[in-house]
Amino acid sequence: GDSVTQMEGPVTLSEEAFLTINCTYTATGYPSLFWYVQYPGEGLQLLLKATGADDKGSNKGFEATYRKETTSFHLEKGSVQVSDSAVYFCALSGEKGAQKLVFGQGTRLTINP
Amino acid sequence: DTGVSQNPRHKITKRGQNVTFRCDPISEHNRLYWYRQTLGQGPEFLTYFQNEAQLEKSRLLSDRFSAERPKGSFSTLEIQRTEQGDSAMYLCASSFTTLGEQYFGPGTRLTVT
Repeated sequence: GDSVTQMEGPVTLSEEAFLTINCTYTATGYPSLFWYVQYPGEGLQLLLKATGADDKGSNKGFEATYRKETTSFHLEKGSVQVSDSAVYFCALSGEKGAQKLVFGQGTRLTINP
Repeated sequence: DTGVSQNPRHKITKRGQNVTFRCDPISEHNRLYWYRQTLGQGPEFLTYFQNEAQLEKSRLLSDRFSAERPKGSFSTLEIQRTEQGDSAMYLCASSFTTLGEQYFGPGTRLTVT
């Protein structure tokens, strides 16, 4: 079945550092790929998405590129802020049927001032 | 549009009791999903509705779990004869199209003592 594997956390960085959170997936066909973020005490929010090979999703300075050849969707940000501290989830949605989301286990990110 | 809402936000119950959770999706969203999230893990799909029809249930969903979406609006998730292993965050999400962009509610945290 479909699955998502994320870089294990927790990840701790200093403010203005470069961020990469790795995500790889296993799925048939061409799933849609997502990054969701969960800030402390809040619900899951969609951060960005990509629906086809080589598509780049971007939002709030975060970017991720759909790499079909490496089955990856790594999340990057050039300069992180304390307010980016949260748990980040990579997820995929199959081409057909329910479009249910399959999530990775999440990566907790802490940014220190 | 006030987003997806869930009630109650927290529920503590004794083992063996029945509990019911409610989800109100974003208005006009025709798809509604239930997920379960345990500590340190990503959400896992439980079931989904398109309008009032329940179209798929995960094998995770034992016979003690039942979900309804009368009239295709709000949904309820009932757990009968709760067990300690049912302790988790129960998340509801809704979407308007089949593109997989789901919007999540804040969740109901269930603790079974």
